[in-house]
Amino acid sequence: AQSVTQPDIHITVSEGASLELRCNYSYGATPYLFWYVQSPGQGLQLLLKYFSGDTLVQGIKGFEAEFKRSQSSFNLRKPSVHWSDAAEYFCAVGASGGYQKVTFGTGTKLQVIP
Amino acid sequence: GAVVSQHPSRVICKSGTSVKIECRSLDFQATTMFWYRQFPKKSLMLMATSNEGSKATYEQGVEKDKFLINHASLTLSTLTVTSAHPEDSSFYICSAIGSDEQFFGPGTRLTVL
Repeated sequence: AQSVTQPDIHITVSEGASLELRCNYSYGATPYLFWYVQSPGQGLQLLLKYFSGDTLVQGIKGFEAEFKRSQSSFNLRKPSVHWSDAAEYFCAVGASGGYQKVTFGTGTKLQVIP
Repeated sequence: GAVVSQHPSRVICKSGTSVKIECRSLDFQATTMFWYRQFPKKSLMLMATSNEGSKATYEQGVEKDKFLINHASLTLSTLTVTSAHPEDSSFYICSAIGSDEQFFGPGTRLTVL
């Protein structure tokens, strides 16, 4: 069975600083990987996804993530964080078929300080 | 982008009563919708896959008689928590597949007294 680990429960960064959120997955075959952001009162929004191809994936809002098979990782990065990026971020892994049987990590809460 | 709505956004009910949560895809048709449950500090747990016109597929450990799912149209799926108890208090989230992406509703906070 697939699983996802987000080792950081809570991260605080200064506005303008760079950000990296860690995600490690466990899955026997080539995984489908996702990063979602959840803001209070809003549904989860897809930031980016990796299905195949280029291992560096560009997403919305200036986010990117890199799939590293050797490390079973899919870390999310942003070069300069904005106050509006404060939210909860979820990494997820799916089995074949994309969105079926998606397993979510426990989330990382991002706090942005001025 | 596509929008998924949920109603109500929050509900408080007495133990033993039933609560219905609606999930609607507002601008697209969804043959498949998913229902998740999210505990505090925990990840989203898939409860069931709702298929339009057929019975829902429940994940292991989820009581189908407790959590009734009806997907009567291509834009509406409902989750009914029957005979709710305090341990059913949680945040319930639905999602729908459209345009090769999974779109999530804003969630429903259920509190059972």
